[in-house]
Amino acid sequence: EAGVAQSPRYKIIEKRQSVAFWCNPISGHATLYWYQQILGQGPKLLIQFQNNGVVDDSQLPKDRFSAERLKGVDSTLKIQPAKLEDSAVYLCASSLVTDEQYFGPGTRLTVT
Amino acid sequence: QQQVKQSPQSLIVQKGGISIINCAYENTAFDYFPWYQQFPGKGPALLIAIRPDVSEKKEGRFTISFNKSAKQFSLHIMDSQPGDSATYFCAALPSGGGNKLTFGTGTQLKVEL
Repeated sequence: EAGVAQSPRYKIIEKRQSVAFWCNPISGHATLYWYQQILGQGPKLLIQFQNNGVVDDSQLPKDRFSAERLKGVDSTLKIQPAKLEDSAVYLCASSLVTDEQYFGPGTRLTVT
Repeated sequence: QQQVKQSPQSLIVQKGGISIINCAYENTAFDYFPWYQQFPGKGPALLIAIRPDVSEKKEGRFTISFNKSAKQFSLHIMDSQPGDSATYFCAALPSGGGNKLTFGTGTQLKVEL
């Protein structure tokens, strides 16, 4: 069974630029999550999708972050404009309706 | 507000020894407690998980001990190996729907030869 796929794996941008990350969940997983993991910390949930709909986006900085999940499969997370404090690893995870979440390898973002 | 506190921040153990990582939580609505293992450059991988209806769960060399009254749980890695060197995160999930995991701050484990 293929795991969660993410791209790109690394991205370096200057502050105030925009960036987008892509995630392809495990086939059949209805729930998709985006997490932000700052160096030395645990992952923090940014947004959770159930199929096409948003379940929880309470910790998403909506003035600069946006996310969508087209047709209930792939998802993109966008940051515009980026700030220095957005430097982190962005993790995508997926799950069935159970509690077990499966994580992708992440995208390491560096904002200079 | 940090809802799951994890300690220690880092840990060095000799090969063959026991690694112990502790977590404490505040929210009594939590009813699922997984542990994740993360290697550099990789995403977290589910290692073992427990629910409050049992006090201990063992899978191979990995054991979770759970103390509901103290609101604490811990991961024990028996016969620790250099390949176990990674960052370990405890996490907690509330009951009542949704899958919003709250993670601890992580423990960097190094197993020395």
